[in-house]
Amino acid sequence: EAAVTQSPRSKVAVTGGKVTLSCHQTNNHDYMYWYRQDTGHGLRLIHYSYVADSTEKGDIPDGYKASRPSQENFSLILELASLSQTAVYFCASSMTGGAGNTLYFGEGSRLIVV
Amino acid sequence: GDSVTQKQGQVTLSEDDFLFINCTYSTTTYPTLFWYVQYPGQGPQLLLKVTTANNKGISRGFEATYDKGTTSFHLQKASVQESDSAVYFCALVDGGGSNAKLTFGKGTKLSVKS
Repeated sequence: EAAVTQSPRSKVAVTGGKVTLSCHQTNNHDYMYWYRQDTGHGLRLIHYSYVADSTEKGDIPDGYKASRPSQENFSLILELASLSQTAVYFCASSMTGGAGNTLYFGEGSRLIVV
Repeated sequence: GDSVTQKQGQVTLSEDDFLFINCTYSTTTYPTLFWYVQYPGQGPQLLLKVTTANNKGISRGFEATYDKGTTSFHLQKASVQESDSAVYFCALVDGGGSNAKLTFGKGTKLSVKS
C-alpha cells in the first residue's frame, strides 16, 4: 500500500493553462516536499511545507505555487504552464526535517506542456 | 550554499563487476550524507545514510563512507547484479536545524548487463 500517492500520474497541458498536481500521504508525516526531475539536473526542490496551511520556497520556486490544506495533502500549482515546466514531478514526505530526515517519495507525475 | 557534485552521469557494467560511484560535496557545517536509488518507473528511495565521517553505511550489499578531508562520498558494491540497474543519487543535509533540506546530486544511471 503506497504511503505517498500522486495524481495525476501523467498529464498533457497547454501552454498558459493551469495545472494542479496533487499529493496525499498516509505516513502521518509533518514535512512534505515537491521536487522536479529533469535529465542532467537530478532532483531540485520547488516548495516544501512542515505544517498545514503553511508553505516554504525551495530552490526553484518561480512559476509554481504550493498549497497544504491538511497534514495529508500537498498540491503544486502551475498557474500559467510553460514549455520549460515539462518534467517529472515527485512529492515526498518525511517525519522530521534536518539531518534526521528520510524522504519517502511518490511514484511521480509526468507533465508535458505543449 | 550546500552543493553536491556527481560527475558520473552513466555507468555500464557487467554482472559481478565492482561498482564505485563518487560524489564530492561542499558545505560549511557537518553534513549527513545519503544515497538514494531510483528504479525504473518509481520514485527515489533511501539506500544508505552516513552521519559521521569515516563511518560506514551498509545496506543490500552496498557500502558508503565519506571522507571529510577530501569532502568526498562514495558508494560501492563488490558484485553488481542486473537488478541493481537504477539511478543512484547522492544527497546531503547540513547540520542547520530541523528545516534544513536535502540537496541532491544529478544522479548516476547504472546499467548492468547480464
